[in-house]
Amino acid sequence: DAGVIQSPRHEVTEMGQEVTLRCKPISGHDYLFWYRQTMMRGLELLIYFNNNVPIDDSGMPEDRFSAKMPNASFSTLKIQPSEPRDSAVYFCASSGQVYTEAFFGQGTRLTVV
Amino acid sequence: QKEVEQNSGPLSVPEGAIASLNCTYSDRGSQSFFWYRQYSGKSPELIMFIYSNGDKEDGRFTAQLNKASQYVSLLIRDSQPSDSATYLCAVIRSGNQFYFGTGTSLTVIP
Repeated sequence: DAGVIQSPRHEVTEMGQEVTLRCKPISGHDYLFWYRQTMMRGLELLIYFNNNVPIDDSGMPEDRFSAKMPNASFSTLKIQPSEPRDSAVYFCASSGQVYTEAFFGQGTRLTVV
Repeated sequence: QKEVEQNSGPLSVPEGAIASLNCTYSDRGSQSFFWYRQYSGKSPELIMFIYSNGDKEDGRFTAQLNKASQYVSLLIRDSQPSDSATYLCAVIRSGNQFYFGTGTSLTVIP
């Protein structure tokens, strides 16, 4: 398996634009997590899905953020409109069973100017 | 109160020494505990996991868990320069919520 695949690896966008980050979890994994990492706040859990259903989105910072998982092999995190303070590295991770390790994608480095 | 707390460091140890990394967590219902390593510009990768009280050893790494004190630690024996990285403590709460500490930066000095 190729692991968790994220795209794009880097994204530079202007304030106010819509940004969509994509993730393909490891095949067969039932859990998918979206994280945001900054120097100040570390790795923050934004939202996670179980069997394509959002379970906990309490970490989503604002209504500008939304996430979907239309099927078991694809998820998106959308920011609309984007702001400079959204600049961070966004990681997607997946795990196969409850309470087991999460495997991370390579991350998307987002810069909003 | 944060879910998972770590000393951000930086922690510096000489090559060959023991590095000790510590982590506390807030939810007594937490089920599983992990240590991840993250090199600069890379994604976190799993080093060890521990589910039960006590020690768990894997090569040069030992994880220690004390649920009564809500405390997890990682010992790295015979530290090598290649161990220089940020170490992230992670805890799974009930409901499979996977929380990370902010990480401890470790530098092993040759």
